[in-house]
Amino acid sequence: KAGVTQTPRYLIKTRGQQVTLSCSPISGHRSVSWYQQTPGQGLQFLFEYFSETQRNKGNFPGRFSGRQFSNSRSEMNVSTLELGDSALYLCASSLRYSSYEQYFGPGTRLTVT
Amino acid sequence: AQKITQTQPGMFVQEKEAVTLDCTYDTSDQSYGLFWYKQPSSGEMIFLIYQGSYDEQNATEGRYSLNFQKARKSANLVISASQLGDSAMYFCAMREGPAGGTSYGKLTFGQGTILTVHP
Repeated sequence: KAGVTQTPRYLIKTRGQQVTLSCSPISGHRSVSWYQQTPGQGLQFLFEYFSETQRNKGNFPGRFSGRQFSNSRSEMNVSTLELGDSALYLCASSLRYSSYEQYFGPGTRLTVT
Repeated sequence: AQKITQTQPGMFVQEKEAVTLDCTYDTSDQSYGLFWYKQPSSGEMIFLIYQGSYDEQNATEGRYSLNFQKARKSANLVISASQLGDSAMYFCAMREGPAGGTSYGKLTFGQGTILTVHP
C-alpha cells in the first residue's frame, strides 16, 4: 500500500510570491492534517481536513489556507511568502477523523529567498 | 503554554543497550492520547507507539515501550537493544480531547530529542 505522498519535495520561492503544496493520503484515508516544522518553532499544527471540510485550524495567519478534494487529496497554499515561511511542511493522513494514528509523508521543504 | 516537554536535547547510547527518552505533558482533559514519532534525517515522521489516557497497561511495540505514569504526567519512551538505525530525532506528541471532538486531530509536539547510537 502506497504511503502518503507530497509534491513537490523541494521548492524555492521569492518573498511575496505564493506557493501551493500537494498531499495525497494513503488510499482509503479521509483525514489530512498539515504541520509546519522550523528549527525555531518546532512542529506546529496548521489545519486538518476531513470530508472536504476544515475541521481544525492552528494559529497561523490567513495567508495560510488549504482545501481537500473529493478524492481526499489536499492542497495548502501560502500567499505573500515571507522569509519566515521557510520550513518543512508535513502532511499526515488518517483513516477517519477520530483515528488516533496519523501517518506522515516525507514533507515539502520550502525555502523563501 | 507549552504542553509537551522533552528536556533532553540530545542523548547518546551504545549499540545494544537500552535508552529512555523523557517526555512530560500538561493537560486538563481526561481523555487524551500520547504518541512517539521518529524523524530520520530524511524528514519523514515515523509513528512508533501510542498510549491512550485510559489504557491501563503500558504500550509496547517491538523494541519500543512507553512508560506511562499518569499521576506524574510522564510518557517516557524506552528503546531496548539500540541499533545504529535508531539514530534520529524523536518527538513526543499529544492529542487532547475526546474522540470526534473539535481538537481531536491536532497533535501538539515537544521540541524533540536527538538520539545518537554509537557502535
